[in-house]
Amino acid sequence: DAGVIQSPRHEVTEMGQEVTLRCKPISGHDYLFWYRQTMMRGLELLIYFNNNVPIDDSGMPEDRFSAKMPNASFSTLKIQPSEPRDSAVYFCASSLTGGNYGNTIYFGEGSWLTVV
Amino acid sequence: AQSVSQHNHHVILSEAASLELGCNYSYGGTVNLFWYVQYPGQHLQLLLKYFSGDPLVKGIKGFEAEFIKSKFSFNLRKPSVQWSDTAEYFCAVVSGGYQKVTFGTGTKLQVIP
Repeated sequence: DAGVIQSPRHEVTEMGQEVTLRCKPISGHDYLFWYRQTMMRGLELLIYFNNNVPIDDSGMPEDRFSAKMPNASFSTLKIQPSEPRDSAVYFCASSLTGGNYGNTIYFGEGSWLTVV
Repeated sequence: AQSVSQHNHHVILSEAASLELGCNYSYGGTVNLFWYVQYPGQHLQLLLKYFSGDPLVKGIKGFEAEFIKSKFSFNLRKPSVQWSDTAEYFCAVVSGGYQKVTFGTGTKLQVIP
């Protein structure tokens, strides 16, 4: 299996620009998670989907952040407008049953975002 | 809401020393427990997991963890660490029926040659 695929791997953008991060989950997985990791705040869950439907977006920091999952094989996380404090590594992860019944949550390699 | 506590934020050990990283969770029902490792500059990878059965779980690279239900704990152990074990370790919990994965804040392990 190809694993969770994220793009871009690295992005440097200027403050105020729109950033779109992309994720392709493992085929057949019904849960998709977006996490943000920073030195200061550690690993934070931003939002997660079940069968393409957003279930909990309470971790999304503010309205500048939005996420969509138009189909089972694709999700986006958008930041508009971006700010320097959004600089972080954004991980996408997917699983069967959200990790229940012993199913592993698989992580992508991350998108390293720097906003200058 | 469930919570996960990793009390050791930064651990420094010499090679060949024994390791135990603590993980406690708050939910009292059925749980699925995971330990993930993140090597510098890389993504999170599964070390081991517990769902049911033998509470002593063996994972990759000589790691093991013991689920103690009465203590709400799932501590990670390794009898003899190597320099290549330098990484950050995350405990995670999924409570039965709740679906949301909760991660601990992570423990940075530094192994000195």
